[in-house]
Amino acid sequence: ETGVTQTPRHLVMGMTNKKSLKCEQHLGHNAMYWYKQSAKKPLELMFVYNFKEQTENNSVPSRFSPECPNSSHLFLHLHTLQPEDSALYLCASSQESGNIQYFGAGTRLSVL
Amino acid sequence: QKEVEQNSGPLSVPEGAIASLNCTYSDRGSQSFFWYRQYSGKSPELIMFIYSNGDKEDGRFTAQLNKASQYVSLLIRDSQPSDSATYLCAVNRGRAGGTSYGKLTFGQGTILTVHP
Repeated sequence: ETGVTQTPRHLVMGMTNKKSLKCEQHLGHNAMYWYKQSAKKPLELMFVYNFKEQTENNSVPSRFSPECPNSSHLFLHLHTLQPEDSALYLCASSQESGNIQYFGAGTRLSVL
Repeated sequence: QKEVEQNSGPLSVPEGAIASLNCTYSDRGSQSFFWYRQYSGKSPELIMFIYSNGDKEDGRFTAQLNKASQYVSLLIRDSQPSDSATYLCAVNRGRAGGTSYGKLTFGQGTILTVHP
């Protein structure tokens, strides 16, 4: 695996639950990203953080709330999700916004 | 028109053959181009990146870029069964310092199967 660690690897939650996904990178990068990968669809960029500041919100519903306390950690807080939010959520990091991105193993999310 | 378009495949080639994967993109101002490989159930891993027109070779892999035709391809020589995966084309639409910088747009991916 790369130097990008995601937890948990699998998550099952009900529509009324609140949960958080965690991403940590050990590469000394200063840009971090959240992506959503659904079956039969391209990877969708959700959020970009550069030096802890959010620089991109790709029209993501407010039930997804990102948090980036420092350049090494990124969270995705989830609440009142819908079944169509079930997907693989991938975190990535890069040396600076726009350069080569390295992916974590992902969190497989199922919303019941 | 999709921003980044790939033939979803599956593309099936015999072991030892050349696999040719293609990608077209819509934004003529795109600056950087990446190929990722994704095994089933795994995360994408970078194979190649290319910024300039022409060919770039790394081992069995060659990336080809033609900005005038808005076309990028990946050739895999001497294909092996272990190359069987989904190959994702990604495009960086922004320029350094611009608002789109860092925003990678991915194609749907091409499934490659290399059979013995």
